[in-house]
Amino acid sequence: DAGVIQSPRHEVTEMGQEVTLRCKPISGHDYLFWYRQTMMRGLELLIYFNNNVPIDDSGMPEDRFSAKMPNASFSTLKIQPSEPRDSAVYFCASSSRGGYTFGSGTRLTVV
Amino acid sequence: DQQVKQNSPSLSVQEGRISILNCDYTNSMFDYFLWYKKYPAEGPTFLISISSIKDKNEDGRFTVFLNKSAKHLSLHIVPSQPGDSAVYFCAASRGSQGNLIFGKGTKLSVKP
Repeated sequence: DAGVIQSPRHEVTEMGQEVTLRCKPISGHDYLFWYRQTMMRGLELLIYFNNNVPIDDSGMPEDRFSAKMPNASFSTLKIQPSEPRDSAVYFCASSSRGGYTFGSGTRLTVV
Repeated sequence: DQQVKQNSPSLSVQEGRISILNCDYTNSMFDYFLWYKKYPAEGPTFLISISSIKDKNEDGRFTVFLNKSAKHLSLHIVPSQPGDSAVYFCAASRGSQGNLIFGKGTKLSVKP
C-alpha cells in the first residue's frame, strides 16, 4: 500500500484565495482525520470522519474551513478565504482499529 | 486548554546516553497513550503505546512508563543514537480507537 497520500506537498497562495488540500486514505481504513501543525499549538485535530460521515468538527477554527469526504478514498479540506494565520502544515491520517497512519502533510503558506 | 502537555520543547543528549521525554495529561478519562516520532518533511509515525492497565511497555531501545496517579508518562530511549533525532509527540485517547489528542512535541537532538 502507498500509505496516506496528500496533495499538494507545498502550497503558496495569496491572502483571500481559496485553498483546497486533498487526501487519499489507506484502502480499508474507516476513519479519516485532518490535523494542523503549528509551532504554537502543536498537532491540533480539526475534524474526523467515520465511514465518510463527519463525526466531530469542533476543532475547525472558523467557518472559512470546510471538509468533505465524498467517498471512502478521498477527502478535501478547503479554506475560503485564506488568511496568513492559516499558514501551517496540514496532515491527513487514516486508521482502522486504532492504528493511525499519517500522510506526509501539505505545507501551506498564505502571503 | 491543552489536555496533553509536553513542557520541554527541546532536548539534547549525547550519543549512547539515555533520552527521557516527558508528557503530562489532564483528562482522567484518557486510558490509551502513544508516542509518535516525526522527521522533517514527513508525517508522524507510530513508535510505541501503552494502555492504562499497564505501567510499563518496552520495545527494544524504547520504553514507555505510565504513572496514572500523577497523570504522567515518559519515553526512555537507551542507548540514544543520532538517527533518533526527531520531534517526538505524546498522544492520548479514550480507548485504543478514540481520536488522538497530541501534545506540542519535543525536539530531540542526539549528538555524536
